[in-house]
Amino acid sequence: QITLKESGPTLVKPTQTLTLTCTCSGFSLSTSGVGVGWIRQPPGKALEWLALIYRDDDKRYRPSLRSRLTIIKDTSKNQVVLTMTNMDPVDTATYYCARVGPASQFDYWGQGTLVTVSS
Amino acid sequence: QSVLTQPPSVSGAPGQRVTISCSGSGSNIGAGYDVHWYQQVPGTAPKLLIHANDNRPSGVHDRFSGSKSGTSASLAITGLQAEDEADYYCQSYDGSLSGWVFGGGTKLTVL
Repeated sequence: QITLKESGPTLVKPTQTLTLTCTCSGFSLSTSGVGVGWIRQPPGKALEWLALIYRDDDKRYRPSLRSRLTIIKDTSKNQVVLTMTNMDPVDTATYYCARVGPASQFDYWGQGTLVTVSS
Repeated sequence: QSVLTQPPSVSGAPGQRVTISCSGSGSNIGAGYDVHWYQQVPGTAPKLLIHANDNRPSGVHDRFSGSKSGTSASLAITGLQAEDEADYYCQSYDGSLSGWVFGGGTKLTVL
């Protein structure tokens, strides 16, 4: 059974750095072709892809947020970590991690974690 | 402004058929990248409904079907049921952006 679970703070202050962890089970981050991405959804708005990392450490970032994002993986813990610097209230959203399949679909999703940016 | 364009809302009566369109461009759908569809019940995570244009994952009812042509794609839902009321998103890959793109989402209301 494949599951992903996000963890991290629920509240961050403006200008702080957000660190989110995605713990994966049922598949290995060291398996060929495997990738895990982060997607966010502001309240009442659409899904927005942020970043993705593949087994071979190939990393992709949303161009408009590239300077603020870093994605890494810890294969020994089967975790993927996303950091986003200089948080702003507009970054308030539910953040999801999801596994990416061979056709670039997100086939398994975590439950999501709501992050609020407020002083 | 989403890269993929969807109608904000569609509606239909129980038992009817509805379609949701997803319009892209030559750098995403038109470039040959696959289109995927997700169903999101409010308050829950998105669920993969259709992958690679017209394929249903195991467990998805055959009332849901997808198609793709040129720079657009469509999701069709037949035999509408109350439980189908949700938000639906299309997704593809954009070669110019080198990243994954979503539509703005369509809210389906079952009358």
